[in-house]
Amino acid sequence: NAGVTQTPKFQVLKTGQSMTLQCAQDMNHEYMSWYRQDPGMGLRLIHYSVGAGITDQGEVPNGYNVSRSTTEDFPLRLLSAAPSQTSVYFCASRGYSNQPQHFGDGTRLSIL
Amino acid sequence: AQKITQTQPGMFVQEKEAVTLDCTYDTSDQSYGLFWYKQPSSGEMIFLIYQGSYDEQNATEGRYSLNFQKARKSANLVISASQLGDSAMYFCAMSSGSARQLTFGSGTQLTVLP
Repeated sequence: NAGVTQTPKFQVLKTGQSMTLQCAQDMNHEYMSWYRQDPGMGLRLIHYSVGAGITDQGEVPNGYNVSRSTTEDFPLRLLSAAPSQTSVYFCASRGYSNQPQHFGDGTRLSIL
Repeated sequence: AQKITQTQPGMFVQEKEAVTLDCTYDTSDQSYGLFWYKQPSSGEMIFLIYQGSYDEQNATEGRYSLNFQKARKSANLVISASQLGDSAMYFCAMSSGSARQLTFGSGTQLTVLP
């Protein structure tokens, strides 16, 4: 009963480094998304996908890349990490449109 | 553009009392959904309750109910008989658009006092 699994849970990077945050779901959900959560701002949508091979930008996409080669996986890539990308990152998935999103436990990312 | 406003950064309630957390929304879509999530200090996001824009009855889930006033564009969460474990951050969110992506409010930190 895994649901949405995010790895790693914590990561510290230096400015300019790149890395990939992993997200996998085992519920056969078509829709997956990535959010970042900053203090006092709630969650903001970075990128989302409505199915394998289909991705689109959310509210704050700059500096991030995504791909969706399978239904299960939706990795988020930081191309060149910046201190402004220090945040908690959540991956989520859902089934049909009115179902609630299921969230992973989050990745706490610090950029020095 | 879609917008969710939560005007109460922090709220206090006495244990066993009821509390209302405010949420107003703005959208030009006719079809949308409203959600409330709870985020305890451990950080996970827990789904509480859902209301569809065409639902005529207010949603209820156990001690949670959603006071949906469509004309006022408000979707307030009511928690009855508060418990110490209800202390958490609460987020209101709206799904809209062709992909029904979620837009979140800034949250309300609820503290239940013994």
